[in-house]
Amino acid sequence: NAGVTQTPKFQVLKTGQSMTLQCAQDMNHEYMSWYRQDPGMGLRLIHYSVGAGITDQGEVPNGYNVSRSTTEDFPLRLLSAAPSQTSVYFCASSYGRGTGELFFGEGSRLTVL
Amino acid sequence: KQEVTQIPAALSVPEGENLVLNCSFTDSAIYNLQWFRQDPGKGLTSLLLIQSSQREQTSGRLNASLDKSSGRSTLYIAASQPGDSATYLCAVIPHKLSFGAGTTVTVRA
Repeated sequence: NAGVTQTPKFQVLKTGQSMTLQCAQDMNHEYMSWYRQDPGMGLRLIHYSVGAGITDQGEVPNGYNVSRSTTEDFPLRLLSAAPSQTSVYFCASSYGRGTGELFFGEGSRLTVL
Repeated sequence: KQEVTQIPAALSVPEGENLVLNCSFTDSAIYNLQWFRQDPGKGLTSLLLIQSSQREQTSGRLNASLDKSSGRSTLYIAASQPGDSATYLCAVIPHKLSFGAGTTVTVRA
């Protein structure tokens, strides 16, 4: 019973590098989302998806790209990493189109040097 | 835009005291409200989900109430223990859900 799985758990990048944070859920949830958590800022929504093939921007989408080709997977891409993207990233999913109970992954800690 | 506020930002109590954590929101058109616990360096663990049609939800020592008309939810933790020390966050649902910044609780033995 995996729930929401995020990889990697830790990553260090240099400025300008690109990478993808992976998120997978095995609960057949329609809704998936990415948040970043910074000290004193709480959780902020980056991008979300209400189903395969459908994505939309959240509060802080700049510098991030997403796609949703399957119900299970929702990867987050950093195209050209910047130090301001140093953060802890959380993936979450829920049933329905975002109106149900939210389940979180364990987080991915990213440091950009 | 939905604004979610949690007061106080931090709370320190002696073991055995009851905890009262507050969450307020500006838009009463919500589906659900969910309370989470977060330990340092860890992910978010769901504690309770209150549907908009409910007034309260209980799980063990935890009880959460919801008053949509006043835009408030309260999480009560009875007979606190040192293991309850964590940050507690509330989230207002639907999607694009809004999180409060959390209340960091320290329970002193």
